Amino acid sequence: DVVMTQSPLSLPVTLGQPASISCRSSQGLVYSDGNTYFNWFHQRPGQSPRRLIYRVSNRDSGVPDRFSGSGSGTDFTLKISRVEAEDVGVYYCVQTTHWPWTFGQGTKVEIK
Amino acid sequence: QVQLVESGGGLVKPGGCLRLSCAASGFTFSDYYMSWIRQAPGKGLEWLSYISGGSSSTNYADSVKGRFTISRDNAKDSLYLQMNSLRVEDTAVYYCVTGPQIRDANYWGQGALVTVSS
Repeated sequence: DVVMTQSPLSLPVTLGQPASISCRSSQGLVYSDGNTYFNWFHQRPGQSPRRLIYRVSNRDSGVPDRFSGSGSGTDFTLKISRVEAEDVGVYYCVQTTHWPWTFGQGTKVEIK
Repeated sequence: QVQLVESGGGLVKPGGCLRLSCAASGFTFSDYYMSWIRQAPGKGLEWLSYISGGSSSTNYADSVKGRFTISRDNAKDSLYLQMNSLRVEDTAVYYCVTGPQIRDANYWGQGALVTVSS
């Protein structure tokens, strides 16, 4: 199975400041169709996960443009340009290139 | 809009069984692969199983292979997960998940809590 390793696991942030989360996969995530099926999800307490970013850098509908995804190969990054209060929660990286789909451990973002 | 509503969760004893259902609406159900993903209390996420639109293809995580069975009824726009030989470690919120392509996971239900305890 592909192991997804996130860092940091806890991220205290200041409102209005940038934040960044990294994710590394144990093997490459490029599928035979040429796409890299790497995603970022956000989960607030008591809610279902919500996908923010798909195929490395594409924002889902309704996701604020302060969120951006980048990376290639086995190293990926989620950046929040200016953290807002509603951004707290746990962020997961997820690969859906290989079966089984695998998730990172989660990064808990909280306001300082 | 896409809606996924899970039901059938509850308390069950170790070794027991339970059947989860997921009612889908807002899209052509038979065209979509469907998956089950779970989250143990306070823990991360674990993909469990998928089924193709016509039920010809299924796949399972090693942790549930031989114990869980995924199925669907396209006439009822419903997805199921039959869970047998349940273990304490199967305690989790179970999510029904789908997307326009097999590798998409952009639509999630609200989850159904399954508690396995004596």
